[in-house]
Amino acid sequence: QSVLTQPPSVSGAPGQRVTISCTGNSSNIGTIYDVHWYQHLPGTAPKLLIYHNSNRPSGVPDRFSASKSGTSASLAISGLQAEDEADYYCQAYETSLSGEVVFGGGTKLTVL
Amino acid sequence: QLQLQESGPGLVKPSETLSLTCTVSGASISSGTYYWSWIRQSPGKGLEWLGSIEYRGNTYYNPSLNSRFTLSVDTSKNQFSLKVKSVTAADTAVYYCVRQEQWNLDFPFDYWGQGTLVTVSS
Repeated sequence: QSVLTQPPSVSGAPGQRVTISCTGNSSNIGTIYDVHWYQHLPGTAPKLLIYHNSNRPSGVPDRFSASKSGTSASLAISGLQAEDEADYYCQAYETSLSGEVVFGGGTKLTVL
Repeated sequence: QLQLQESGPGLVKPSETLSLTCTVSGASISSGTYYWSWIRQSPGKGLEWLGSIEYRGNTYYNPSLNSRFTLSVDTSKNQFSLKVKSVTAADTAVYYCVRQEQWNLDFPFDYWGQGTLVTVSS
């Protein structure tokens, strides 16, 4: 059971907009530390999609956006394309215990 | 371009020790303030951070795991390694070696190896 909660699956038709939530608590997302997002295509290594809450690495289309508020974060994908079908993970820093990296359980995006 | 490549056995017997090595190319493991880390994904499950090490040898482990995991670094070979003692079927997973941007566990993982599947079975 993951510390960060994501919906197991979301879906949308090409061209539509979908959002993926990542819910934590006051010891992880609700702290000063940032949330990061990864896209994981089958058979490949996960790829950094969004860093420090809302920043896109070079090469990531501006169709991808993200934000953080309180103890939650969200990833939005607009203008959905077939190639966006993948698993998406959020990452945060857990300040309880001695500090650790935590991930959400992942969300499978299906493009209908 | 920085590249990370995992190597190690694809099959390990229960109760034995799993050893994986990550070879870094395109940059020196000793340059910059990066954590070199291991993340795994068990079949049908999400990502799990195992631990991180920096070139001076300081280590950080997932406190939610037991003490079976050990990280080490060999700067002369530009490699870092993971050992998992007394493996069970629950350790079957794809293991990724990754770089974390700064000497801060709250930073993102910006470079990933392709991953290596390790199966624990007799």
